[in-house]
Amino acid sequence: EIVMTQSPATLSVSPGERATLSCRASQSVSSNLAWYQQKPGQAPRLLIYGASTRATGIPARFSGSGSETEFTLTISSLQSEDFAVYYCQQYNNWPRDFGPGTKVDV
Amino acid sequence: QVQLVESGGGLVKPGGSLRLSCAASGFTFSDYYMSWIRQAPGKGLEWVSYISSSGTTVYYADSVKGRFTVSRDNAKNSLFLQMNSLRVEDTAVYYCARWGSSTYRPIDYWGQGTLVTVSS
Repeated sequence: EIVMTQSPATLSVSPGERATLSCRASQSVSSNLAWYQQKPGQAPRLLIYGASTRATGIPARFSGSGSETEFTLTISSLQSEDFAVYYCQQYNNWPRDFGPGTKVDV
Repeated sequence: QVQLVESGGGLVKPGGSLRLSCAASGFTFSDYYMSWIRQAPGKGLEWVSYISSSGTTVYYADSVKGRFTVSRDNAKNSLFLQMNSLRVEDTAVYYCARWGSSTYRPIDYWGQGTLVTVSS
């Protein structure tokens, strides 16, 4: 079983600042890594898949990088609507577990 | 547009059963793999089950194996989760989710979820 970890657990940033979130897999998942955003009371939304491809309709300020075991989600200039919890998920092996999440707040 | 609408949640006593349903529309349901994913109050996302497009392949998280059964009716564009021997720790919002149409694709659509509360 692949264990997904995320850091930090909470990231405090101000609007307009850059946010960098990390995700690590306990073994290689190739580039089969997705990032999701979840706001309170809402379902998650796909942001990034294939480690670096933005999903349809996702603004260019969101970018993903990495491969194998180390991945990064970068939000270049935080907008008020970006304050949320972000989860990574590997879809290379079963079980396709999620990371524990990073909360981005002010 | 793609829509996934869950139903069937509610309050149930420990040891009880519940059947969740997910009505899919806006896409060719029989072409897609599907999953149930849950989120306990204030906690993260936990993958629960997976079913292939034809229904012939299923996977379960260890936490629900032997208690939950996932199934689908492609003629009715519907996904189901039969939950038996429910425990307090099964309390969560349960989401129906669509995987992409090939093996190495992420979840691209989620329903809004249905709340299951297991309590005496």
